[in-house]
Amino acid sequence: AQSVTQLDSQVPVFEEAPVELRCNYSSSVSVYLFWYVQYPNQGLQLLLKYLSGSTLVKGINGFEAEFNKSQTSFHLRKPSVHISDTAEYFCAVRTGGFKTIFGAGTRLFVKA
Amino acid sequence: DVKVTQSSRYLVKRTGEKVFLECVQDMDHENMFWYRQDPGLGLRLIYFSYDVKMKEKGDIPEGYSVSREKKERFSLILESASTNQTSMYLCASSFAGTPNEQFFGPGTRLTVL
Repeated sequence: AQSVTQLDSQVPVFEEAPVELRCNYSSSVSVYLFWYVQYPNQGLQLLLKYLSGSTLVKGINGFEAEFNKSQTSFHLRKPSVHISDTAEYFCAVRTGGFKTIFGAGTRLFVKA
Repeated sequence: DVKVTQSSRYLVKRTGEKVFLECVQDMDHENMFWYRQDPGLGLRLIYFSYDVKMKEKGDIPEGYSVSREKKERFSLILESASTNQTSMYLCASSFAGTPNEQFFGPGTRLTVL
């Protein structure tokens, strides 16, 4: 069975500092990986996705993630965060079928 | 731009009431989903529909039913609301096939008293 673990429930960081949000998954088959962001009082929107090919994936708003098959990880990074990046971030994995498995979420709190 | 709309942002109901949550998408997506979002638990799939009148149970279907009479509309029904169904409900849609991303509505925060 697939599962997704987001290793940090909350990440506080100062503005303009780099950030990494960690995600590990378990699956016995090939996976497609996603990061979604949820701003306060809004639904989720796609930040980036890994389907195949290059393991470094670039997304919107300066975020990027690296797929590491041997570590079964898909960590999200940004070199310099802004106050506006304060949100909850969800890692998700999908194989075949219709189900996408979401992690529990990481709250990123950017401080001035 | 894909738009997924949900009928209410906030809803307060009483225990035992029948509750309807409506979701409409405007991008001709085949797939539609209902999730429940609770702190520390992420998103859990309640039901999924891949076509009109077709549905599949997700991970937590107990206490819920769904209806999809038109391609653009997917309704979640709480037959007899209970306090443990107080939660944020998110609707999503996507094109058929893997690995298409999902597009989410803004959510309905339901409180059952």
